[in-house]
Amino acid sequence: QAGLAQPPSVSKGLRQTATLTCSGNSDNVGNSGNGGVSWLQQHQGHPPKLLSYRDNSRPSGISERFSAYRSGNTASLTITGLQPEDEADYYCSAWDSGLNAFVFGPGTKVTVL
Amino acid sequence: QVQLVQSGAEVKKPGASVKVSCEASGYTFSNNDFIWVRQAPGQGLEWMGWMNTKKGDTGYAQVFQGRVSMTRNFFRNTAYMELSSLTFEDTAVYYCARGTSGSPDFWGQGTLVTVSS
Repeated sequence: QAGLAQPPSVSKGLRQTATLTCSGNSDNVGNSGNGGVSWLQQHQGHPPKLLSYRDNSRPSGISERFSAYRSGNTASLTITGLQPEDEADYYCSAWDSGLNAFVFGPGTKVTVL
Repeated sequence: QVQLVQSGAEVKKPGASVKVSCEASGYTFSNNDFIWVRQAPGQGLEWMGWMNTKKGDTGYAQVFQGRVSMTRNFFRNTAYMELSSLTFEDTAVYYCARGTSGSPDFWGQGTLVTVSS
């Protein structure tokens, strides 16, 4: 399986919790020696923004409502207390040692109902 | 604060080349890699390649091999990405991003490249 897999969309209510998944293989998500999994948020018409790196580290300034986790070949991003501004596309990414390339998932569109 | 400022939008004809610049400020330019990513209209993110700023080493996605070149200018704190032999399918927003610990932590604002006859 080439690349990373993400569900195309997730819809949750205001203040609810959304969990996004990212499935890969032992060459990318499952290979922690590659620098781990990153998560990016992109609002329409804007550049991506880093939410998490090295599987579960949050950059300075990123809300604690965003938390990431990885187990084996699957990574996840949990958004708690969903807010209207969380409506965006979310991408996972990782280095793939088999492809010798950085790979992105296709993205998950989060809708806050 | 870290900032990456990219050059303006471009319109190119098929077969032409485009060179996008990415001027960095707010950190020591040579300490971090650059990666380049593009996004076609309505599509996801596509990794194009990376450059080790200090050494100039590069690695390109196989799909772009032979027609992409990533360089830098230390005096201008600027990274460049040049893509040649453009086709209509190269119409996209092109982003530069700073690489830290294997992750793209700061991004430029994007440069729209339109390939049109």
